[in-house]
Amino acid sequence: DQQVKQNSPSLSVQEGRISILNCDYTNSMFDYFLWYKKYPAEGPTFLISISSIKDKNEDGRFTVFLNKSAKHLSLHIVPSQPGDSAVYFCAASARETSGSRLTFGEGTQLTVNP
Amino acid sequence: NAGVTQTPKFRVLKTGQSMTLLCAQDMNHEYMYWYRQDPGMGLRLIHYSVGEGTTAKGEVPDGYNVSRLKKQNFLLGLESAAPSQTSVYFCASSYRRSSYNEQFFGPGTRLTVL
Repeated sequence: DQQVKQNSPSLSVQEGRISILNCDYTNSMFDYFLWYKKYPAEGPTFLISISSIKDKNEDGRFTVFLNKSAKHLSLHIVPSQPGDSAVYFCAASARETSGSRLTFGEGTQLTVNP
Repeated sequence: NAGVTQTPKFRVLKTGQSMTLLCAQDMNHEYMYWYRQDPGMGLRLIHYSVGEGTTAKGEVPDGYNVSRLKKQNFLLGLESAAPSQTSVYFCASSYRRSSYNEQFFGPGTRLTVL
């Protein structure tokens, strides 16, 4: 069963606009959530994270929102830049049951058009 | 610091051949992981290690073996390669005391099994 799901395989936005990437999860034991960014031929790199005790975390142009009741999180990028074009992975961890392990979603390919 | 490095970057095998992928990290991380990435399936955990001399199975361990003889190295072995093991393999590492279980990834190994 897919515990972390990113339903949109791709997203295309104009430069300067907002990009919103979505992620849903099913495991109520998840207590930390992370977003990774991946360029072609490179490994994923950590972007931003949020604890389940918060509903928002902001870092520059990137903001992650968590809605625990809906088991949904989203990543907002404002303003979007062409260099943001990459695959974005949502990941979750449940320290109590799974320790340091992360469960990843399928990824969303973001394309920012100049 | 080189971070997480992987050897080799590319490899082509014939069905039934064996090989070993090497992962090395210079960040003194306690935890190390091996993932495979397939189109539309995100990153799936193969095996992981929480310390030197210890390993554990992840989500998709069949057909793979691992060893962690030194803290900085984590080896992934394919005993008898199959076409279904054609994939991109990523190694990652993390601190035991990481707040968010943030993992640092290597650049990947692209493996093709004919």
